[in-house]
Amino acid sequence: DTGVSQNPRHKITKRGQNVTFRCDPISEHNRLYWYRQTLGQGPEFLTYFQNEAQLEKSRLLSDRFSAERPKGSFSTLEIQRTEQGDSAMYLCASSSMQGEAFFGQGTRLTVV
Amino acid sequence: DQQVKQNSPSLSVQEGRISILNCDYTNSMFDYFLWYKKYPAEGPTFLISISSIKDKNEDGRFTVFLNKSAKHLSLHIVPSQPGDSAVYFCAAKGGNAGGTSYGKLTFGQGTILTVHP
Repeated sequence: DTGVSQNPRHKITKRGQNVTFRCDPISEHNRLYWYRQTLGQGPEFLTYFQNEAQLEKSRLLSDRFSAERPKGSFSTLEIQRTEQGDSAMYLCASSSMQGEAFFGQGTRLTVV
Repeated sequence: DQQVKQNSPSLSVQEGRISILNCDYTNSMFDYFLWYKKYPAEGPTFLISISSIKDKNEDGRFTVFLNKSAKHLSLHIVPSQPGDSAVYFCAAKGGNAGGTSYGKLTFGQGTILTVHP
């Protein structure tokens, strides 16, 4: 399977706990994006990497959120001290410099 | 500030007929538009795109039309099939405003398409 892979697919956590999600992009893609989608809305941009450099962060990304792409390959998104409002589908996408973005299947986070 | 809007939350169509999904945008810096299809519990799947230098792009049963002066685009599916039932998202990117030139997508809210047999 050469598509974008996200793990885990589902995560249930208690409020206040930290969670980390992983994204493995398509291997030849140097651009990687994180989006968040809530019910009834389209995906909202969170952050963007070109290779290992994080070039933009949305205002949606509070201080509790951090993303890394240490070697320009896979990426992690960590949420510290989770809140119920963090419950959403977290989507990762990758693309080449000029091509369309391909999405992973997402990680569904439920904060109880 | 919703820069990409899909004003129809849902659309119901009979199998074999045409489905027309609409999308409006406000940011004149957008220069590339895409449609994604999404099934429940899956990520969006790229369907078709169009550059702002064109007004039509066709791929099999799917055609996207762009009216730049009206800041409007539409996706036509003909003939519609039950397997087309999904949520369809319009997305836009491009320009230099807000650093969007690298490919960050701005999505609409989505339209749920149901194709009845």
